[in-house]
Amino acid sequence: NAGVTQTPKFQVLKTGQSMTLQCAQDMNHEYMSWYRQDPGMGLRLIHYSVGAGITDQGEVPNGYNVSRSTTEDFPLRLLSAAPSQTSVYFCASSYTTGNTGELFFGEGSRLTVL
Amino acid sequence: AQSVTQPDIHITVSEGASLELRCNYSYGATPYLFWYVQSPGQGLQLLLKYFSGDTLVQGIKGFEAEFKRSQSSFNLRKPSVHWSDAAEYFCAHNNAGNMLTFGGGTRLMVKP
Repeated sequence: NAGVTQTPKFQVLKTGQSMTLQCAQDMNHEYMSWYRQDPGMGLRLIHYSVGAGITDQGEVPNGYNVSRSTTEDFPLRLLSAAPSQTSVYFCASSYTTGNTGELFFGEGSRLTVL
Repeated sequence: AQSVTQPDIHITVSEGASLELRCNYSYGATPYLFWYVQSPGQGLQLLLKYFSGDTLVQGIKGFEAEFKRSQSSFNLRKPSVHWSDAAEYFCAHNNAGNMLTFGGGTRLMVKP
C-alpha cells in the first residue's frame, strides 16, 4: 500500500521556469491538499480539494495552480518559478472533508529556485 | 484568522526525562486540535487528536496531550523520553473549516 506518493523528491529550477509537482494517493481519500514548509513557519496551506473537480485556495495560493481531475491525483503547478518558492512541498490527503480526520503526508518534494 | 503558536523553537531534554511541548491556539468555537511529528527527511505523522470529550487524550508512542479551553492550550507530554523521540513536533488547529493551521514547530533534541 503506497499511501501518498510525491514526485520528484528534488528539483532545481531557474527563475521563470515552470514545473509540476505530482501527488497521487491510493487510499480513495476525498480530501487532498498541498502545503509548503519553510523554517520557523511550520506548514502553510497552498491549495486543497474536497473531491474530484473541486479545488479551493489556502493560505498562500499565489503563484500556484492546481486541478483535480481524478480522486487519486492532485498535481501542483508552478507557472513561472520565483526564488521565494524555494521550499519543501508536502502533499497530504484525508478520508474526510472538513479536515477533521487524520492527514496522511507524502515524503515531500524539495524545490530550489535559482 | 486562526493561528497556532508554539513558543519553543528548540527543546533539549535528557533521555529518560519528562517532556512537555507547548501549544496555544487562537479562539475557536469548535477546536479540532492535532499533534504531528516529523522525522528528518520524512512527512508528518499524526500523534494524537482532540475533538471533544475527555480533555486528556492518549496518542501513539506514549504521548498524551491535555486540552485546556480556559488557556487555549493543547500541550503535548511524555513521561520518559527516548532517543528515538528526537524529531520536530507540530501542533495544528482546525476551526471546523477545510483548512488546518500549523504552528511553527518545536525541534526536540534528546541528550544521552
